[in-house]
Amino acid sequence: EVQLSESGGGLVQPGGSLRLSCAASGFTFRSYAMGWVRQAPGKGLEWVSGISASGGTTYYADSVKGQFTISRDNSKNTLDLQMNSLRAEDTAVYYCAKTLSGWYYFDSWGQGTLVTVSS
Amino acid sequence: DIQMTQSPSSVSASVGDRVTITCRASQGISSWLAWYQQKPGKAPKLLIYAAFSLQSGVPSRFSGSGSGTDFTLTISSLQPEDFATYYCQQANSFPHTFGGGTKVEIK
Repeated sequence: EVQLSESGGGLVQPGGSLRLSCAASGFTFRSYAMGWVRQAPGKGLEWVSGISASGGTTYYADSVKGQFTISRDNSKNTLDLQMNSLRAEDTAVYYCAKTLSGWYYFDSWGQGTLVTVSS
Repeated sequence: DIQMTQSPSSVSASVGDRVTITCRASQGISSWLAWYQQKPGKAPKLLIYAAFSLQSGVPSRFSGSGSGTDFTLTISSLQPEDFATYYCQQANSFPHTFGGGTKVEIK
């Protein structure tokens, strides 16, 4: 069974940094592209970032480009999101998601971790 | 970036009704479209990918159609467990943007 478990969320002051991590199990992690999707309170889904199976190619939403960095460790089956210069509008539940084999659609999701940016 | 526009933003329907949700892309995306269902407090669930392919385990009352810029998600006979919010997502080009969502509510 695919399992994705995010950690690292919490309360951070504006301008601060957080590093989210996603532990993956139940599938061959190194074979799948992965991504992060966020959802601000009471709002819709926002695609944030994606990374290829090898980690060699990364993609970002314009809203986080230059601010967030996605990475993965295929030896540890972990996906990370380094978030810098956080702003109030980055407040959201952040979901880690696995892609469907051969596609870039997300077929498995974690439970999400809440990031709150506030003073 | 490609903008995805869903309509309606909400719909009230009864059990057994046929429900159709529309998603329009700001430029052609071929069939690079997915539909997700999300219930309150839960992660989204993939229903349809590549515009019309049913994800494993998803009931056949869900179907998708369309290509280019206009897509639809149809629930042929609404069931109590289908009351949720539905999102489309394009995967034609990065960033893989989502639509704003359609909330299906009980009439």
